[in-house]
Amino acid sequence: AQSVTQLGSHVSVSEGALVLLRCNYSSSVPPYLFWYVQYPNQGLQLLLKYTSAATLVKGINGFEAEFKKSETSFHLTKPSAHMSDAAEYFCAASEGFQKLVFGTGTRLLVSP
Amino acid sequence: NAGVTQTPKFRVLKTGQSMTLLCAQDMNHEYMYWYRQDPGMGLRLIHYSVGEGTTAKGEVPDGYNVSRLKKQNFLLGLESAAPSQTSVYFCASSHYPGDQPRSPYNEQFFGPGTRLTVL
Repeated sequence: AQSVTQLGSHVSVSEGALVLLRCNYSSSVPPYLFWYVQYPNQGLQLLLKYTSAATLVKGINGFEAEFKKSETSFHLTKPSAHMSDAAEYFCAASEGFQKLVFGTGTRLLVSP
Repeated sequence: NAGVTQTPKFRVLKTGQSMTLLCAQDMNHEYMYWYRQDPGMGLRLIHYSVGEGTTAKGEVPDGYNVSRLKKQNFLLGLESAAPSQTSVYFCASSHYPGDQPRSPYNEQFFGPGTRLTVL
């Protein structure tokens, strides 16, 4: 069964610093991969998705992620953090037909 | 276009009580899902539906039942609530992949969540 690992339950950065949130998947066959963001007391919103069209995927709000098959990774980055980026981020991988397996989430804290 | 809505937003139950959570979507999506979110555990799939009148078990189905009598609605029921069911519940929906040939795997759209406490 597919599993998704997000390293670090909390990541702290200063405003303007690089954001790097890590995600690794388990399956030998590359799945479809997603990053979702959850702001406080809200549902999940899609940031970006990898569906094998391109290994570098650009999403909303300046985020991007790179799919690396050799590392079974799909890390999320943003060159310069903004206070409004403070939220919880979830990586998810497809399993079978139209099901998603989620990681445990990483809370991003941004300090001024 | 409201997207995915959930009713109620908050609920407190006593152990043994029953309740139904309602999810509605106005995007004509074929697929609908119920997840629970617990601290440190991410989202776990409870049940899902691939069309009106069909449901299937997810990762953590015990203690829950679901029904999909109408395409736009997906109900989650707790027959006898337990404290272990204290959680935030999210509903989601997505297109059937065949509707979008350039995207063989479609994103799931989430509702705002229902916070349930079982005492």
